[in-house]
Amino acid sequence: AQTVTQSQPEMSVQEAETVTLSCTYDTSESNYYLFWYKQPPSRQMILVIRQEAYKQQNATENRFSVNFQKAAKSFSLKISDSQLGDTAMYFCAFINSGGSNYKLTFGKGTLLTVNP
Amino acid sequence: DTGVSQDPRHKITKRGQNVTFRCDPISEHNRLYWYRQTLGQGPEFLTYFQNEAQLEKSRLLSDRFSAERPKGSFSTLEIQRTEQGDSAMYLCASSPPVSGTDTQYFGPGTRLTVL
Repeated sequence: AQTVTQSQPEMSVQEAETVTLSCTYDTSESNYYLFWYKQPPSRQMILVIRQEAYKQQNATENRFSVNFQKAAKSFSLKISDSQLGDTAMYFCAFINSGGSNYKLTFGKGTLLTVNP
Repeated sequence: DTGVSQDPRHKITKRGQNVTFRCDPISEHNRLYWYRQTLGQGPEFLTYFQNEAQLEKSRLLSDRFSAERPKGSFSTLEIQRTEQGDSAMYLCASSPPVSGTDTQYFGPGTRLTVL
């Protein structure tokens, strides 16, 4: 069974600074996808960024980028120039690729607070 | 594209009552998922539909839970004889009929409180 571990329950960062959230996962599969989702307080979950395991290049979306280390099964999220609106719960998630890819497996989340 | 919608957003019920939640996926998304999220945890998979067919059910889905997607569009999740342990946020997600990763898009959730 796949597992996703987020070892930082809470983090804080000053506005405009950079923060990195950690995620490790365990799988025996070789083809899969990894995601970071953001869940602001009392608001719905939205996709931040995704990474295909077969791609060596790290994904980037504006201020958000990942450091994907397939051999180490590590998938960290870097937020640059943090903004107050980045305050949210961040979930790392995993899904197998292939015909039966339907189930996202989530970590327990990291609560990020951006301070003014 | 109006996004995934869920109704109601909040539901308070007494133990032993039945409740039903509705999810409307993004139009033309043929895959629909239900997840449950308890306080301080990540969402946990409950069940998956491809069109109207329910292809997978988690062991978390006890016999008191039933989900349907009769016409391959909206879906309902019913909980019979609710228990306090059913209190949680119930999330619905949908994804398009394309091969590959099929990013799942989430709705706002229905927060259930069982008294």
